[in-house]
Amino acid sequence: NAGVTQTPKFRILKIGQSMTLQCTQDMNHNYMYWYRQDPGMGLKLIYYSVGAGITDKGEVPNGYNVSRSTTEDFPLRLELAAPSQTSVYFCASSLSGGRVNEQFFGPGTRLTVL
Amino acid sequence: QKEVEQDPGPLSVPEGAIVSLNCTYSNSAFQYFMWYRQYSRKGPELLMYTYSSGNKEDGRFTAQVDKSSKYISLFIRDSQPSDSATYLCAMTSVQGAQKLVFGQGTRLTINP
Repeated sequence: NAGVTQTPKFRILKIGQSMTLQCTQDMNHNYMYWYRQDPGMGLKLIYYSVGAGITDKGEVPNGYNVSRSTTEDFPLRLELAAPSQTSVYFCASSLSGGRVNEQFFGPGTRLTVL
Repeated sequence: QKEVEQDPGPLSVPEGAIVSLNCTYSNSAFQYFMWYRQYSRKGPELLMYTYSSGNKEDGRFTAQVDKSSKYISLFIRDSQPSDSATYLCAMTSVQGAQKLVFGQGTRLTINP
């Protein structure tokens, strides 16, 4: 199993451009999450999904959109990129019904908006 | 006030030292407490998990929860250079994944 994979690893965007961060998991997890991590600020939840076709906002959803058409994929869309969106983005997945709240994280996408 | 507070450090200790990492929280509904370890330029991975109050030991690592004080700790005994990483506490009121609230993370360096 590859676990959670994210593409691209790095990206530089100009202000106003848009892009999609890809996330795929092969563990048949129904829950998936997008976080951003700024230096010294921990992980902040952007959006999450409890299954295909179901998404909900997290703590910092503004400027982002998501969709979940399959169990495996959970892309994050940035429209009109702004310097405040410079961050490291992590996708994660987990299994519902488990006793342990273990989320499995991807390697991250480092995004710079100039 | 943030729901979860964690001293970001950085914390630097010599090899073999006992390390204490801590988080405080304000939401009394939190019942599930986790510590994630994150190596440089990697995603976090679950290190320890505890439910409600008490201690849990796993090798050189001990997780402690004091719900009356809203305070959790992670102790690392006989620390090794390979323990150098950022440690994030996380917690939730709901069993079975879903939304976690993370602390800011403490960057730890173990010097040989």
